[in-house]
Amino acid sequence: GDSVTQMEGPVTLSEEAFLTINCTYTATGYPSLFWYVQYPGEGLQLLLKATKADDKGSNKGFEATYRKETTSFHLEKGSVQVSDSAVYFCALSDLYGQNFVFGPGTRLSVLP
Amino acid sequence: DAGVTQSPTHLIKTRGQQVTLRCSPKSGHDTVSWYQQALGQGPQFIFQYYEEEERQRGNFPDRFSGHQFPNYSSELNVNALLLGDSALYLCASSRARGGEKLFFGSGTQLSVL
Repeated sequence: GDSVTQMEGPVTLSEEAFLTINCTYTATGYPSLFWYVQYPGEGLQLLLKATKADDKGSNKGFEATYRKETTSFHLEKGSVQVSDSAVYFCALSDLYGQNFVFGPGTRLSVLP
Repeated sequence: DAGVTQSPTHLIKTRGQQVTLRCSPKSGHDTVSWYQQALGQGPQFIFQYYEEEERQRGNFPDRFSGHQFPNYSSELNVNALLLGDSALYLCASSRARGGEKLFFGSGTQLSVL
């Protein structure tokens, strides 16, 4: 079945450092790809998405590009802030926005 | 516009008991999905309801059942609770047509002692 793999955390960075969180997927067909973020004590919030190959999703300084050839959707941010500390989940869904599959999550801690 | 609301926020039960969790979807959404998130893991899909019927189901035993009401709200029921059922239970809503985004509630933290 479909699956999502993420780099293991936790990831600890200093403020203003560059962030990359790797995500690769296995899926049949043409999935849509997502990054969700979970702050302590809260549910998941959509951070960004991409629905087809070579699409770039972006939001709040975060970016990820849908790479079909490498089946990847790595999350990047040029300069992280303390407020970015959270757990980040890579996910995919089928063409119709159903059958969401989530990765295990990567915890990010940003130190001042 | 209220987002997805879940109740209760926390719940403590003992093994063998039964529990009911509730979810109200975001306004305009007609589909409700339930996820189990164990500590340190990603959400695992339990099932999805649309038009008051279970449309899809993940790899969970029959002890997990649900219901959707005409106003699109939903319940998750778990019977014969096991220690391993302790987790954060997340409800997510979406629109069946043209709505690939999931909107999540803050979850119900269930502890089974």
